[in-house]
This record gives sequence, structure tokens and C-alpha cells, in this order.
Amino acid sequence: GAVVSQHPSWVICKSGTSVKIECRSLDFQATTMFWYRQFPKQSLMLMATSNEGSKATYEQGVEKDKFLINHASLTLSTLTVTSAHPEDSSFYICSARRGTGNTIYFGEGSWLTVV
Amino acid sequence: AQKITQTQPGMFVQEKEAVTLDCTYDTSDPSYGLFWYKQPSSGEMIFLIYQGSYDQQNATEGRYSLNFQKARKSANLVISASQLGDSAMYFCAMREGSPGGGNKLTFGTGTQLKVEL
Repeated sequence: GAVVSQHPSWVICKSGTSVKIECRSLDFQATTMFWYRQFPKQSLMLMATSNEGSKATYEQGVEKDKFLINHASLTLSTLTVTSAHPEDSSFYICSARRGTGNTIYFGEGSWLTVV
Repeated sequence: AQKITQTQPGMFVQEKEAVTLDCTYDTSDPSYGLFWYKQPSSGEMIFLIYQGSYDQQNATEGRYSLNFQKARKSANLVISASQLGDSAMYFCAMREGSPGGGNKLTFGTGTQLKVEL
């Protein structure tokens, strides 16, 4: 079964509104989670590294005021797309490493459509 | 230079045949890890196999094996006995440095595999 869960799987929002996507690690604690963005038929691009109890680290070119990341607990990271625009429509997916193993698990992903 | 290169945008294979998906990487870090993920049309990323830079043997997981050639910096995925359900996008990814808090992955551009009857 899934070890990392994302919610919602699909969301449609109006331009100018904000939308929050949750990423939860199931039955394990993740001090670090990662948020990726994927445009259709393209690869995954890392947006930011979410650190529990501290500020997220954003990749170059990613607007931190637009993509707010909060890692309030060891099992939950949230990505909030503020003042969404149609160009923000994309597939957003999070990942976390389980324990000290090498496997990095991904959430199911969230499809965001801004109309 | 690209850190992860997948040169095959698309591949076709007949059911029950084996297929090799290519991946080359570029890093100066002696410690790194290589991953393969499968992404079906639903979008989820499914972990398939992992190879550490210090692993002596090639990784295998069921029908998946990783042909790790360190000197050539290649980490090709071999899928044996292809099944229709293997049709998906496949991504090669690399983690630089030792496993730890920072496990961000760099992904290749992917290979779309289609298994035919």
C-alpha cells in the first residue's frame, strides 16, 4: 500500500484563489519531504525541499511567496499555491525517504487545474 | 551538462520479450544512488529498483534488473518478460551524496514504453 499520501488528487480552482495540497507520510516520520512539479509529458522538476520545523529550501527560479511550503509535523508537508493562475496548472507530486533506507517514496500526485 | 540522460523518448517491445531502457549519468561525487521509477498514465511514481554507487552487484527486483556499468556511468534498466501492464513512462533518477536528510533526486526526461501483443 501507499506509504506517502497526497490530497487532493484532483483540484480545479478559479484564477486568483489559493489552493493547498497535502503530503502525508503514512506510518513513518519524514523530517524532509520534497515537492516536484511535472508538466505534461515532461520530467519532474524539483521545486523545493520541505524541512520539518524550519523554512523550506527553494530551487532556483521557484517563487517562494507563490508556492508556500509548510512542514508543521514529521508526517505532514503542505504546498499552497497562492493567487493561482492558469500557468500554474500542473501535476504536483511530493516524496519522502522512509527511515534510513535508500528508497524514496512518492505520493500519488495532485493534478491542479486553474481556470 | 545533463546529470541524467535518457536518450530514448519512446520504446516498443513485444509482450514476453525483454527490453532495455538506457540511462547515463554525470556526477563527480563518489557516493550516489541511482533509481528507476515507473509512471503510469495516472501519474503516480512507482519505485522499481535502486543501485548504490558502492554496490558490487547489479540490483535485481523480480523482472527488473539494473545493468550498472560504473566506468561508463550507465545504469540501464532491463525488464524481462514484458507484460502489457508495463506500458508506462519510465524515469531514471540520481541522488548525489550519501543517503541522509537531503535526498533530492534529479530526473531524466523519461522513456515512454509501450508493450504490444
